[in-house]
Amino acid sequence: KQEVTQIPAALSVPEGENLVLNCSFTDSAIYNLQWFRQDPGKGLTSLLLIQSSQREQTSGRLNASLDKSSGRSTLYIAASQPGDSATYLCAVRPLISSGSARQLTFGSGTQLTVLP
Amino acid sequence: GAGVSQSPRYKVAKRGQDVALRCDPISGHVSLFWYQQALGQGPEFLTYFQNEAQLDKSGLPSDRFFAERPEGSVSTLKIQRTQQEDSAVYLCASSLDRVAGNTIYFGEGSWLTVV
Repeated sequence: KQEVTQIPAALSVPEGENLVLNCSFTDSAIYNLQWFRQDPGKGLTSLLLIQSSQREQTSGRLNASLDKSSGRSTLYIAASQPGDSATYLCAVRPLISSGSARQLTFGSGTQLTVLP
Repeated sequence: GAGVSQSPRYKVAKRGQDVALRCDPISGHVSLFWYQQALGQGPEFLTYFQNEAQLDKSGLPSDRFFAERPEGSVSTLKIQRTQQEDSAVYLCASSLDRVAGNTIYFGEGSWLTVV
């Protein structure tokens, strides 16, 4: 069974710092990996999607990397801002199997606070 | 609408009451998922539809949970005889087609509290 772990569970940084959020998964047979942002009381907003054949994806100040063989992904946030404060979740999607098996398996998230 | 819409946003139910949670996916999206998110945890898979077909219900925690998508669009998650442990956020998500590579879009969730 796939397990996804995110470390740290919570992180507090001053505004302007660059930071890295970590995600690890136990089964490397994945189709893709997705990073989400969740604000309090809100649903999930997709940030970056990395296909298994890709090494990284970038969007603005965000860069996500994927090392499938070692079961790791990182989300790099450059020049952090107070508006980046949220919970960041990573999720992996398995390779399609005989069952539908299309569901994402999520980590528990990293709660980020960027202090002004 | 432009996004995944869920209703009600907030529901307080007395223990033993039945509840129904509605999801309107993005128009034209083939795949629809239900997830349950407990406080401080990541979402956990409940069930998956491809159009009107429920292809995977392995995540439903008990036979009190039932989901349907009769016309391949709107979906309803029904919880019978609610228990306190059912208190959670219920998230609906959709994606464009059956290809697993497409981005999945989430609604804002239905927050269920069982008292």
